[in-house]
Amino acid sequence: QKEVEQDPGPLSVPEGAIVSLNCTYSNSAFQYFMWYRQYSRKGPELLMYTYSSGNKEDGRFTAQVDKSSKYISLFIRDSQPSDSATYLCATQKSSSNTGKLIFGQGTTLQVKP
Amino acid sequence: EPEVTQTPSHQVTQMGQEVILRCVPISNHLYFYWYRQILGQKVEFLVSFYNNEISEKSEIFDDQFSVERPDGSNFTLKIRSTKLEDSAMYFCASSPGFSKHYEQYFGPGTRLTVT
Repeated sequence: QKEVEQDPGPLSVPEGAIVSLNCTYSNSAFQYFMWYRQYSRKGPELLMYTYSSGNKEDGRFTAQVDKSSKYISLFIRDSQPSDSATYLCATQKSSSNTGKLIFGQGTTLQVKP
Repeated sequence: EPEVTQTPSHQVTQMGQEVILRCVPISNHLYFYWYRQILGQKVEFLVSFYNNEISEKSEIFDDQFSVERPDGSNFTLKIRSTKLEDSAMYFCASSPGFSKHYEQYFGPGTRLTVT
């Protein structure tokens, strides 16, 4: 079983839509959950991170973690064409003293004007 | 805003040649990482580095790979004898410290093409 699974999409939505991006993970030792945005041929850009379960909001973005179901979500409100990118979820064990991140495959999002 | 920089942006090399990929992490960060992404695949962890030592390395990071912090600002990844399968984007990242491992900032990457 893969440690982090993410539907690669592509996901296409009209401008202004609410976008839901999701990942599942297999190891209950994962405690930190990150969302990165990656534009084509660029480096991943850290959007948000959360620890354990719960929600975290930053502007139009909300990250949600449900540890009971091992499910991670990123919601984008009022989506814009500039949000078109690949979104990567990543996890890390709380016991990690080395910082190794484990990434999902990434979901490609296209927001159409 | 401080950022991680990487040079070169694109490196083409012949199989069997040595390459050195360079990174300048964010200045007050203490942990440094290399990841790679083969086209169409996941971003994969290669190695983490702290206090001039490797903290962890993946199975990919075999004897052909080495890392070094030659001075106070640069962080390098050397591939001694490149193989075709080393062709990938290589990303350097840095984080502020032990308690903030989850806060990693990535550079723009170096695209390595091995012919």
